Amino acid sequence: DAKTTQPNSMESNEEEPVHLPCNHSTISGTDYIHWYRQLPSQGPEYVIHGLTSNVNNRMASLAIAEDRKSSTLILHRATLRDAAVYYCILRDAWDQGAQKLVFGQGTRLTINP
Amino acid sequence: DTGVSQNPRHKITKRGQNVTFRCDPISEHNRLYWYRQTLGQGPEFLTYFQNEAQLEKSRLLSDRFSAERPKGSFSTLEIQRTEQGDSAMYLCASSLGAGLSPLHFGNGTRLTVT
Repeated sequence: DAKTTQPNSMESNEEEPVHLPCNHSTISGTDYIHWYRQLPSQGPEYVIHGLTSNVNNRMASLAIAEDRKSSTLILHRATLRDAAVYYCILRDAWDQGAQKLVFGQGTRLTINP
Repeated sequence: DTGVSQNPRHKITKRGQNVTFRCDPISEHNRLYWYRQTLGQGPEFLTYFQNEAQLEKSRLLSDRFSAERPKGSFSTLEIQRTEQGDSAMYLCASSLGAGLSPLHFGNGTRLTVT
């Protein structure tokens, strides 16, 4: 499975933007970049995904580098509820198997009031 | 919104006992996944069903573990002869098996083996 590298932890302040980086230098042409987050005492939840173009949804934005070797999850205005572990995961669109998610360690985001 | 439901939320058992967990996926989701998560680690894949067929099992799933999904609806995960190393959060997820559909996770069953 293609691997991703994320910082172990990050800290930000409430109501400020947060940029969560992810490196995936061995990404293949058919790998989609997915982000999930896990709030305390809950299962992971889907945040956003993209292939080449930047993507926006109600939760976040995903900025993908032109060479696709890195990406950044952007929370435009962090709230205390955004404190969670954020996982950057590659999923191969050509994989005919389980399409399972392979989680790394993720980035633990702390939001200061 | 009836999400993925897992029962029980917590289970404490003594070493050597058998335990069974249940997962009710989102209706009409044909794919169901089991994961295990220990403290400070990301979830680890255990097994996956498409409808009632178990199509993939991780090497983490030892002979003491068995999962079923009769009739392609709910699923059970049984651990026989539990060991202290089995203590973890067991997460279930489901998805609509079309392309890269997002996985929807339950809030897990926390197992403590004493």
